[in-house]
Amino acid sequence: GAGVSQSPSNKVTEKGKDVELRCDPISGHTALYWYRQRLGQGLEFLIYFQGNSAPDKSGLPSDRFSAERTGESVSTLTIQRTQQEDSAVYLCASSKRYEQYFGPGTRLTVT
Amino acid sequence: AQRVTQPEKLLSVFKGAPVELKCNYSYSGSPELFWYVQYSRQRLQLLLRHISRESIKGFTADLNKGETSFHLKKPFAQEEDSAMYYCALSGVGAQKLVFGQGTRLTINP
Repeated sequence: GAGVSQSPSNKVTEKGKDVELRCDPISGHTALYWYRQRLGQGLEFLIYFQGNSAPDKSGLPSDRFSAERTGESVSTLTIQRTQQEDSAVYLCASSKRYEQYFGPGTRLTVT
Repeated sequence: AQRVTQPEKLLSVFKGAPVELKCNYSYSGSPELFWYVQYSRQRLQLLLRHISRESIKGFTADLNKGETSFHLKKPFAQEEDSAMYYCALSGVGAQKLVFGQGTRLTINP
């Protein structure tokens, strides 16, 4: 079946602009995660949605970052007033139980 | 604090040689430990999980609670094992993962 999909695959934006990244999880997966991977570093947790529970936002680095999820489907990660340090690959994952299935990522470049 | 440390950023071994990728962790409580792998031009995917005690693609990993380690081992490396390997932990249940920085494994012919 279809895996996790993310769009766009690449995004170049100017410093100060807002960007929206989209994630379509695997159907039936109740949990959805966003991670960030800066060049040469490991994945860094950002936010986690589980069903109808309040999301775990403990990894969001600043109030410029926010995310929403509609039910158990699509999620969008929004970064306002982008900064150069926001340049990274943003990965989305979904899971039904313990195994997380990752999308291909969105490479964000802030110039 | 939850932390995963992979001390080797790069590891290069010859085909047929044993390989060991190191992972140490700190966590208060009983974590779940995982190894994820990313082959060239592919997505990050689960390789193995400590609870399942399986051998996947010839790889095994033993959780050593005394040394807080979860090293990944394979007795005879193959060229197709070349990839980026990440050690990760989570709390019990479907929760966020804390990742190490990854080890790039290269198997030389």
